[in-house]
Amino acid sequence: DAGVIQSPRHEVTEMGQEVTLRCKPISGHDYLFWYRQTMMRGLELLIYFNNNVPIDDSGMPEDRFSAKMPNASFSTLKIQPSEPRDSAVYFCASSLSRGRGDTQYFGPGTRLTVL
Amino acid sequence: AQSVAQPEDQVNVAEGNPLTVKCTYSVSGNPYLFWYVQYPNRGLQFLLKYITGDNLVKGSYGFEAEFNKSQTSFHLKKPSALVSDSALYFCAVRDPITGGFKTIFGAGTRLFVKA
Repeated sequence: DAGVIQSPRHEVTEMGQEVTLRCKPISGHDYLFWYRQTMMRGLELLIYFNNNVPIDDSGMPEDRFSAKMPNASFSTLKIQPSEPRDSAVYFCASSLSRGRGDTQYFGPGTRLTVL
Repeated sequence: AQSVAQPEDQVNVAEGNPLTVKCTYSVSGNPYLFWYVQYPNRGLQFLLKYITGDNLVKGSYGFEAEFNKSQTSFHLKKPSALVSDSALYFCAVRDPITGGFKTIFGAGTRLFVKA
């Protein structure tokens, strides 16, 4: 298996522009997570899905952020409009539910820089 | 609410010496506990987890961790450190009763192993 795939790996954009990050989870996994990592705040859970349905979006910073999972093999995280404080590494992770002690498999991340 | 603390920002150890990376947690019930490792410019990789059973958990690359309920700790250990173990280590906790699949990550501890 190719693991969790994220694109792009690097994104540089200007303040006010729309940014779309993409994720393909491991085939067969039924949970998908979006995290943000910064030096100041560490690793933060933004939102997670189960069977394509958002379960907990309490970590989404504000209305500028939105996430979708139109099918089991694809998810997007969109920021519109982007701001310099959104600069971070964004990770997607997926897991397969077997009880509640399941391992999350992380993608390589997207490094976002907003100028 | 669940939380996890890694009291050390950095741990330095000489190659061949034992290493310990500390983690304490707070959850309302019995926790699910995890250790992940992150190498530069990579996503997090699973090392080991405690769900139930034996308090001593063995994981990848010779790492192990001991669940101590009375001290609410889950310290990561390795008998003999390697230079290649140098990385960022994250402890994580999930409260299966109230937290669902939401996993809270610690701030991370950077491990430096000197040759």
